Amino acid sequence: LAKTTQPISMDSYEGQEVNITCSHNNIATNDYITWYQQFPSQGPRFIIQGYKTKVTNEVASLFIPADRKSSTLSLPRVSLSDTAVYYCLVGVLSGNTGKLIFGQGTTLQVKP
Amino acid sequence: DSGVTQTPKHLITATGQRVTLRCSPRSGDLSVYWYQQSLDQGLQFLIQYYNGEERAKGNILERFSAQQFPDLHSELNLSSLELGDSALYFCASSPRDSEQYFGPGTRLTVT
Repeated sequence: LAKTTQPISMDSYEGQEVNITCSHNNIATNDYITWYQQFPSQGPRFIIQGYKTKVTNEVASLFIPADRKSSTLSLPRVSLSDTAVYYCLVGVLSGNTGKLIFGQGTTLQVKP
Repeated sequence: DSGVTQTPKHLITATGQRVTLRCSPRSGDLSVYWYQQSLDQGLQFLIQYYNGEERAKGNILERFSAQQFPDLHSELNLSSLELGDSALYFCASSPRDSEQYFGPGTRLTVT
């Protein structure tokens, strides 16, 4: 499983776009990139997943460059309720490696 | 609401005791995962079951065991409890090895 590196913390203001970058230099060919959000004392919540280029859903976008050694989670127009810890995970999706390895995550603080 | 349920929500017990945590996955999900989250170690993967069979093992202690029943619910058994076992225990389920849906967790306090 590829190791990931994320900033420990980030601050933003309501209404701004937030970009959280994750480095995964040793990503393997079969690895996918997945982001989770976690609020205090709650289980992580799936945000978005991708393999290459750009993926967008109703809450976020995920940008993955051609070399796939990093990825950026983009949250448009954040609100106070987006204050949470965001985890970047890299790994294969099938076989015996469905387990997720969580790193330290990025604590995002959204200010009014 | 993820659709994954866990009971109990809180559990307080003494060192040396044994407890059982229960998880009901989302309807139709065959995979169940258990995670432990403590302040000093973050989220740690413990074990995965798929349709009743153990599929992957992580940092699960020998004092801990789990199983998945024919109705797909799962139980995590923790025995000879130590103070350091105090943590949040999460169960997650997935229909396949992709996104996982986490339950609300069980907060275990060992005194």
